Amino acid sequence: SQELEQSPQSLIVQEGKNLTINCTSSKTLYGLYWYKQKYGEGLIFLMMLQKGGEEKSHEKITAKLDEKKQQSSLHITASQPSHAGIYLCGADSSSGNTGKLIFGQGTTLQVKP
Amino acid sequence: DAGVTQSPTHLIKTRGQQVTLRCSPKSGHDTVSWYQQALGQGPQFIFQYYEEEERQRGNFPDRFSGHQFPNYSSELNVNALLLGDSALYLCASSRTLQETQYFGPGTRLLVL
Repeated sequence: SQELEQSPQSLIVQEGKNLTINCTSSKTLYGLYWYKQKYGEGLIFLMMLQKGGEEKSHEKITAKLDEKKQQSSLHITASQPSHAGIYLCGADSSSGNTGKLIFGQGTTLQVKP
Repeated sequence: DAGVTQSPTHLIKTRGQQVTLRCSPKSGHDTVSWYQQALGQGPQFIFQYYEEEERQRGNFPDRFSGHQFPNYSSELNVNALLLGDSALYLCASSRTLQETQYFGPGTRLLVL
Protein backbone atom coordinates (compact mmCIF):
# COMPACT_ATOMS: atom_id res chain seq x y z
CA SER A 1 0.00 0.00 0.00
CA GLN A 2 1.11 3.57 -0.59
CA GLU A 3 2.76 5.52 2.20
CA LEU A 4 3.66 9.16 2.59
CA GLU A 5 6.74 10.10 4.60
CA GLN A 6 7.21 13.70 5.77
CA SER A 7 10.44 15.30 6.88
CA PRO A 8 11.34 16.80 9.17
CA GLN A 9 8.87 15.69 11.84
CA SER A 10 9.24 19.02 13.59
CA LEU A 11 10.89 22.32 12.91
CA ILE A 12 11.64 25.43 14.96
CA VAL A 13 12.67 28.51 13.02
CA GLN A 14 13.29 32.15 13.82
CA GLU A 15 10.75 34.58 12.40
CA GLY A 16 11.87 35.77 8.98
CA LYS A 17 13.74 32.59 8.08
CA ASN A 18 12.90 30.36 5.13
CA LEU A 19 12.07 26.69 5.53
CA THR A 20 11.21 23.60 3.50
CA ILE A 21 9.07 20.57 4.34
CA ASN A 22 9.31 17.44 2.23
CA CYS A 23 6.80 14.71 1.44
CA THR A 24 7.96 11.48 -0.21
CA SER A 25 5.71 8.79 -1.60
CA SER A 26 6.41 5.09 -2.01
CA LYS A 27 4.39 5.17 -5.27
CA THR A 28 3.59 7.64 -8.05
CA LEU A 29 1.43 10.49 -6.85
CA TYR A 30 -1.78 11.22 -8.73
CA GLY A 31 -2.78 14.29 -6.81
CA LEU A 32 -0.85 15.74 -3.90
CA TYR A 33 -2.54 17.97 -1.36
CA TRP A 34 -1.01 20.21 1.27
CA TYR A 35 -3.05 21.10 4.33
CA LYS A 36 -2.31 23.09 7.46
CA GLN A 37 -3.74 22.20 10.86
CA LYS A 38 -3.78 24.14 14.08
CA TYR A 39 -3.41 21.80 17.05
CA GLY A 40 -6.65 19.88 17.66
CA GLU A 41 -8.51 21.66 14.85
CA GLY A 42 -9.57 20.88 11.31
CA LEU A 43 -7.37 20.91 8.22
CA ILE A 44 -7.12 24.02 6.07
CA PHE A 45 -6.54 23.38 2.37
CA LEU A 46 -3.43 25.09 1.03
CA MET A 47 -2.67 23.73 -2.45
CA MET A 48 -3.11 20.78 -4.77
CA LEU A 49 -0.57 19.58 -7.34
CA GLN A 50 -1.18 17.05 -10.09
CA LYS A 51 1.35 17.36 -12.88
CA GLY A 52 5.00 16.42 -12.70
CA GLY A 53 7.10 19.56 -12.31
CA GLU A 54 4.10 21.62 -11.23
CA GLU A 55 4.65 24.53 -8.87
CA LYS A 56 2.05 26.67 -7.12
CA SER A 57 2.36 29.64 -4.81
CA HIS A 58 0.03 31.40 -2.42
CA GLU A 59 1.32 34.38 -0.52
CA LYS A 60 4.65 33.21 0.95
CA ILE A 61 4.07 29.48 0.52
CA THR A 62 5.26 27.57 -2.56
CA ALA A 63 4.60 23.91 -3.25
CA LYS A 64 6.30 21.79 -5.90
CA LEU A 65 5.80 18.30 -7.27
CA ASP A 66 8.87 16.66 -8.80
CA GLU A 67 8.97 15.38 -12.37
CA LYS A 68 8.72 11.76 -11.29
CA LYS A 69 5.69 12.62 -9.13
CA GLN A 70 7.03 10.87 -6.06
CA GLN A 71 8.15 13.82 -4.00
CA SER A 72 6.70 17.18 -3.08
CA SER A 73 8.11 20.08 -1.14
CA LEU A 74 6.49 23.00 0.66
CA HIS A 75 8.62 26.11 1.00
CA ILE A 76 7.80 29.05 3.24
CA THR A 77 9.62 32.31 2.63
CA ALA A 78 10.22 34.82 5.43
CA SER A 79 8.28 32.81 8.02
CA GLN A 80 5.89 34.54 10.41
CA PRO A 81 4.28 33.36 13.68
CA SER A 82 1.03 32.91 11.72
CA HIS A 83 2.72 30.10 9.77
CA ALA A 84 3.03 27.99 12.90
CA GLY A 85 1.04 24.76 12.90
CA ILE A 86 1.09 21.22 11.57
CA TYR A 87 1.59 20.75 7.85
CA LEU A 88 0.19 17.60 6.30
CA CYS A 89 0.63 16.20 2.84
CA GLY A 90 -2.12 13.98 1.50
CA ALA A 91 -2.59 11.98 -1.66
CA ASP A 92 -5.19 9.87 -3.34
CA SER A 93 -4.53 6.25 -2.48
CA SER A 94 -5.05 5.04 -6.05
CA SER A 95 -4.52 6.21 -9.60
CA GLY A 96 -8.24 6.59 -10.13
CA ASN A 97 -8.53 9.78 -8.11
CA THR A 98 -11.18 8.27 -5.85
CA GLY A 99 -11.06 10.76 -3.02
CA LYS A 100 -9.75 8.17 -0.55
CA LEU A 101 -6.86 10.18 0.83
CA ILE A 102 -3.85 8.95 2.75
CA PHE A 103 -1.76 11.37 4.77
CA GLY A 104 1.77 11.76 6.02
CA GLN A 105 2.32 11.95 9.76
CA GLY A 106 2.63 15.73 9.67
CA THR A 107 5.39 18.29 10.26
CA THR A 108 5.02 20.55 13.27
CA LEU A 109 6.32 24.05 12.66
CA GLN A 110 7.10 26.56 15.41
CA VAL A 111 8.11 30.11 14.49
CA LYS A 112 9.91 32.06 17.19
CA PRO A 113 9.25 35.82 17.20
CA ASP B 1 -20.90 30.75 2.78
CA ALA B 2 -20.70 28.29 5.68
CA GLY B 3 -17.91 25.80 5.59
CA VAL B 4 -18.07 22.23 6.84
CA THR B 5 -19.62 22.03 10.27
CA GLN B 6 -19.43 19.21 12.81
CA SER B 7 -21.18 18.47 16.08
CA PRO B 8 -20.55 18.04 18.87
CA THR B 9 -17.12 19.63 19.32
CA HIS B 10 -16.16 17.41 22.23
CA LEU B 11 -17.56 14.19 23.62
CA ILE B 12 -16.69 11.91 26.53
CA LYS B 13 -17.94 8.31 26.54
CA THR B 14 -17.13 5.13 28.41
CA ARG B 15 -16.03 1.80 26.97
CA GLY B 16 -18.82 -0.20 25.39
CA GLN B 17 -21.04 2.80 24.71
CA GLN B 18 -22.16 3.98 21.30
CA VAL B 19 -21.61 7.42 19.78
CA THR B 20 -23.02 9.40 16.84
CA LEU B 21 -21.13 12.27 15.25
CA ARG B 22 -22.68 14.66 12.75
CA CYS B 23 -21.42 16.59 9.76
CA SER B 24 -22.92 19.20 7.43
CA PRO B 25 -21.01 19.65 4.18
CA LYS B 26 -20.00 22.91 2.58
CA SER B 27 -22.70 24.45 0.40
CA GLY B 28 -22.68 22.88 -3.08
CA HIS B 29 -20.85 19.74 -1.95
CA ASP B 30 -22.43 16.31 -2.27
CA THR B 31 -19.65 13.99 -1.07
CA VAL B 32 -18.69 13.46 2.56
CA SER B 33 -15.66 11.58 3.86
CA TRP B 34 -14.79 10.73 7.46
CA TYR B 35 -11.32 10.46 8.94
CA GLN B 36 -9.92 9.47 12.32
CA GLN B 37 -6.84 11.29 13.59
CA ALA B 38 -5.00 9.91 16.58
CA LEU B 39 -2.73 12.21 18.54
CA GLY B 40 0.47 12.96 16.66
CA GLN B 41 -0.64 11.11 13.52
CA GLY B 42 -2.05 12.04 10.15
CA PRO B 43 -5.76 11.46 9.48
CA GLN B 44 -6.83 7.94 8.49
CA PHE B 45 -9.67 7.43 6.01
CA ILE B 46 -12.74 5.70 7.49
CA PHE B 47 -15.30 5.88 4.67
CA GLN B 48 -16.86 8.08 2.02
CA TYR B 49 -20.51 8.76 1.19
CA TYR B 50 -21.98 9.89 -2.10
CA GLU B 51 -25.61 9.74 -3.19
CA GLU B 52 -26.50 8.32 0.22
CA GLU B 53 -24.31 5.27 -0.30
CA GLU B 54 -20.99 4.22 1.16
CA ARG B 55 -18.62 4.39 -1.82
CA GLN B 56 -15.29 3.55 -0.26
CA ARG B 57 -14.12 2.23 3.04
CA GLY B 58 -10.79 2.26 4.81
CA ASN B 59 -9.40 -0.37 7.13
CA PHE B 60 -11.88 0.10 9.97
CA PRO B 61 -14.05 -2.58 11.64
CA ASP B 62 -17.81 -2.86 11.19
CA ARG B 63 -18.28 -1.08 14.52
CA PHE B 64 -17.83 2.05 12.43
CA SER B 65 -20.86 2.79 10.31
CA GLY B 66 -22.31 5.82 8.66
CA HIS B 67 -25.19 7.37 6.87
CA GLN B 68 -25.77 10.17 4.41
CA PHE B 69 -29.07 12.01 4.25
CA PRO B 70 -30.84 13.50 1.19
CA ASN B 71 -29.54 16.97 2.14
CA TYR B 72 -25.98 15.52 1.94
CA SER B 73 -25.33 15.77 5.68
CA SER B 74 -23.80 12.71 7.26
CA GLU B 75 -23.47 10.78 10.50
CA LEU B 76 -20.69 8.57 11.80
CA ASN B 77 -21.70 5.91 14.32
CA VAL B 78 -19.29 3.94 16.43
CA ASN B 79 -20.56 0.99 18.49
CA ALA B 80 -18.95 -0.82 21.40
CA LEU B 81 -16.43 1.93 21.99
CA LEU B 82 -12.85 1.00 22.84
CA LEU B 83 -10.22 3.13 24.55
CA GLY B 84 -8.35 3.16 21.25
CA ASP B 85 -11.26 4.95 19.57
CA SER B 86 -10.24 8.14 21.38
CA ALA B 87 -9.26 10.54 18.61
CA LEU B 88 -10.20 13.61 16.61
CA TYR B 89 -12.86 12.67 14.06
CA LEU B 90 -12.77 14.82 10.95
CA CYS B 91 -15.41 15.21 8.31
CA ALA B 92 -14.50 16.46 4.85
CA SER B 93 -16.74 17.41 1.96
CA SER B 94 -16.13 17.86 -1.76
CA ARG B 95 -18.13 18.84 -4.84
CA THR B 96 -17.67 15.40 -6.33
CA LEU B 97 -15.86 12.19 -5.43
CA GLN B 98 -12.65 13.41 -7.06
CA GLU B 99 -12.43 17.08 -6.12
CA THR B 100 -10.56 18.77 -3.31
CA GLN B 101 -11.78 17.91 0.16
CA TYR B 102 -12.50 20.65 2.68
CA PHE B 103 -12.41 19.71 6.33
CA GLY B 104 -14.56 20.60 9.30
CA PRO B 105 -13.19 21.54 12.73
CA GLY B 106 -13.52 17.99 14.01
CA THR B 107 -15.09 16.24 17.00
CA ARG B 108 -12.76 15.30 19.82
CA LEU B 109 -13.87 11.95 21.28
CA LEU B 110 -12.49 10.69 24.56
CA VAL B 111 -13.31 7.13 25.63
CA LEU B 112 -12.75 6.34 29.31
